Amino acid sequence: QLRLQESGPGLVKPSETLSLTCTVSGGSISSSTYFWGWIRQPPGKGLEWIGTVYYTGATYYNPPLNSRATISVDTSKTQFSLRLSSVTAADTAVYYCARLLGAAWGPLDYWGQGTLVTVSS
Amino acid sequence: QSALTQPPSASGSPGQSVTISCTGTSSDVGRYNYVSWYQQHPGKAPKLMIYEVSKWPSGVPDRFSGSKSGNTASLTVSGLQAEDEADYYCSAYAGSYTVVFGGGTKLTVL
Repeated sequence: QLRLQESGPGLVKPSETLSLTCTVSGGSISSSTYFWGWIRQPPGKGLEWIGTVYYTGATYYNPPLNSRATISVDTSKTQFSLRLSSVTAADTAVYYCARLLGAAWGPLDYWGQGTLVTVSS
Repeated sequence: QSALTQPPSASGSPGQSVTISCTGTSSDVGRYNYVSWYQQHPGKAPKLMIYEVSKWPSGVPDRFSGSKSGNTASLTVSGLQAEDEADYYCSAYAGSYTVVFGGGTKLTVL
C-alpha cells in the first residue's frame, strides 16, 4: 500500500523559508506513470495547488507561487521536498503531499495526512 | 488563472440525489476533460472520487458520478448516505501544466 508522509517544522517565522519533505513508501517514486505534488489548505479554506515534480526533476508551479516555491526530488531517498521562501501569515496552512496519476496535472490519487505549518513570530 | 466556482453548500435527505456544480472557463473546464472531484471529511486528507470528468477510481461507489457540459462540470451523489456528508472540491487542468481547484462545497445530509 502506497504511503506518503509529510515532515518538517510546524512553526516558521515571517520572511523565513518553509521547508517540508514528503517520504514515499510502498511504491516507486521513479515510476514513469506518476508525478508528485504539493497542495495546501489554509485553516477553514479551500485547496490550493502549489506545484508538481517528476522523478526526472522536471517541475511545474502555480503561477502566483512560482517565484517563491521550489520543489525537488531525491529518488535515492524516495522523497520530494518543498521550499517556500519569504513566508507571511497568509502561508499558514495544512500542507499535503500527493501522487498525481499520469500527468503533471493528473488526478491526485494518494495523499499524505497533511502537516500544519504556522507562520508566526 | 482563477479558482473554479462551486456553491458553498448543498444538502439532501438520505436516499435522495444531489448535484454539485463546478464552473470554470473555456480555458480550463471547457477545454480539457481533466476534471477531478475530491471528498474531504473534517480533519482528513481529501480523497479522489472522480477523475477525467466521469471515471471512478478503484473502490469508489458508483453512487458518485461526474459529467460536464460546456464550462461547467457536475458531481452527482445518488442514494445519499450519512457518510457522504463532507466537503467536496473540484479541480481542473488549466493549461500550461497548471491545476486549479474550486472553492469547495459543504454537503449536508439532512
